[in-house]
Formats: sequence, structure tokens, C-alpha cells
Amino acid sequence: GENVEQHPSTLSVQEGDSAVIKCTYSDSASNYFPWYKQELGKRPQLIIDIRSNVGEKKDQRIAVTLNKTAKHFSLHITETQPEDSAVYFCAASSRGSQGNLIFGKGTKLSVKP
Amino acid sequence: KAGVTQTPRYLIKTRGQQVTLSCSPISGHRSVSWYQQTPGQGLQFLFEYFSETQRNKGNFPGRFSGRQFSNSRSEMNVSTLELGDSALYLCASSVDSPYEQYFGPGTRLTVT
Repeated sequence: GENVEQHPSTLSVQEGDSAVIKCTYSDSASNYFPWYKQELGKRPQLIIDIRSNVGEKKDQRIAVTLNKTAKHFSLHITETQPEDSAVYFCAASSRGSQGNLIFGKGTKLSVKP
Repeated sequence: KAGVTQTPRYLIKTRGQQVTLSCSPISGHRSVSWYQQTPGQGLQFLFEYFSETQRNKGNFPGRFSGRQFSNSRSEMNVSTLELGDSALYLCASSVDSPYEQYFGPGTRLTVT
């Protein structure tokens, strides 16, 4: 079945710097890759997603890139702010569009003012 | 649109008891997925329902079950509770899984 590995598990940056979180997946049939942000005590929030027919997607300060050949995708946050501090989860769809989401273990991002 | 809601928000149960959790999806969403979140295992998929049918199931024992009603509301049931079932149980709704899933606030289950 699908397996999703996420790195790093913790990431600390200075306010204004960029942050990059990377994920790899194993199922070549995976075709949907969302990213979720979870603040302490709150629900996971969908922040950006990408489908396998697209290589990059951007939304203001966040962007996601996908390399289908290498089976990895990354989240890029530019000009980080203290409110970006949270746990970020990547996910990949198992069995393409017929399956469910398999999540990475999460990255705890801390943005220091 | 109103977001995904879950009831109850907190539950304390004793080993051996059973529990039922409820999830109301976003209006118009027919897919409801359930996840267990723990510090050690992260977010693990339990099962997904679409139009009252279970379409996918994760690797959990048969003590975990669910159902979906004609209005897309879903319930999950855990029988014969074990200490290891203590977790945050999240449901997520979408027009069609796996795309654009939106999570509810979760039910925090504590088994003593």
C-alpha cells in the first residue's frame, strides 16, 4: 500500500525566512497531494493541494511542487510569520482517485520573531 | 456554508464500554472519511463512506465500524474499548474523496 515519508519532523526558522517541507510517496498511482496545517488544539486545515497533472501551484506565500518521476512533493512557505507556526501534514491519495488519503507524520514548524 | 461538525467534543469511557461518535458534513458533501490521530501514529485512516456505502477501509480491527445516513451524516462506533483507543477522532467531508477533504473539530476520546 501507499507510504508517505515526511521530513524534517521539526523545523525552526527566523521570521521572514523561507521554510521547505518535503514528502516522498511510494504508490505511482497517487494523483492527489494535499497539505494541511494544524495549530495546537485545532482541526487540520487544508492550505493547498496539487494534482498529478500539474508540476507546481502557488497561493500567495505558499507553493507546492510535485516531481512525479522521483515521487516527491514539497511545500514552500516564503516570508514566514509567527502565525505560520503549526504542524504541517502532507498526504497522498492511495490507489489514485479510488482510494483515501495517507498522511505523513507531520512537521512542527516554529517561526521565531 | 457551515463547516463540518462533530459531537460530542469530549468523551471519557471505561475499558470494555462502547462509544458512538457523530459527524455532520458540509452541505452537499457526500463523502465522509474518519481518521484516528495520536501523537505516536499521526493521522491514520479508518474508513470512508459515500452515499451510505463504505468504499474504503483502513487497517483497524473490526471493533471499529461506521455507517452513513441518507442525509450524509455519519457515525462511527467503537466496541469493547481498549486503553489504546484513546485518541482524537476526526472526520472529514468532501464532494468526493480523496479530493479537498475538510476536517471537523474532532472528538477527544479518553479510555480509562
